[in-house]
Amino acid sequence: AQTVTQSQPEMSVQEAETVTLSCTYDTSENNYYLFWYKQPPSRQMILVIRQEAYKQQNATENRFSVNFQKAAKSFSLKISDSQLGDTAMYFCAFWGAQKLVFGQGTRLTINP
Amino acid sequence: EAGVAQSPRYKIIEKRQSVAFWCNPISGHATLYWYQQILGQGPKLLIQFQNNGVVDDSQLPKDRFSAERLKGVDSTLKIQPAKLEDSAVYLCASSLNPLAGAHIQETQYFGPGTRLLVL
Repeated sequence: AQTVTQSQPEMSVQEAETVTLSCTYDTSENNYYLFWYKQPPSRQMILVIRQEAYKQQNATENRFSVNFQKAAKSFSLKISDSQLGDTAMYFCAFWGAQKLVFGQGTRLTINP
Repeated sequence: EAGVAQSPRYKIIEKRQSVAFWCNPISGHATLYWYQQILGQGPKLLIQFQNNGVVDDSQLPKDRFSAERLKGVDSTLKIQPAKLEDSAVYLCASSLNPLAGAHIQETQYFGPGTRLLVL
């Protein structure tokens, strides 16, 4: 069974700083996808970034980028120039064997 | 493009009562998912539909939970009778058309969720 672990329950940084959220996963699958989802207090889950396991190049979306280390089964999210609107729960998720599995989440607070 | 719609947004019931949630996916999305998100945890898949057929309900507590998607569009999730541990947010998501058996992943789009409190 696939498992996703987020070891940082909470993080807090100042606005404009860079922050990195950690995620590790365990799987025997070779073809899979990894995601970071953002869930603001309103609860709407929003896709932040997506990475295909077969791609060596790390995905980027504006201020968001990932560090995908397939051998280490690590998938961290870097948020550059953090903004107040980035305050939310962030979930790492793994898709493989036709199922999406989420980590426990990291509560990120951006302070003014 | 309209997103995934869910209702109600909040529901408070007594234990042993029944409750139903409704979800309308994004137009044209063949696959629909129901997740349970307990406070402080990530969402957990309860059931997945492909059109009006069930693809995966392995984590659905079938003694009390049921779900249907009769016309392959909107869906209802029912709990009867509810227990205290069912207190959670119930999220509905949809995706375009991930092919069963193929390693193709379509992005899942989530609704705002229904927060259930069982007293």
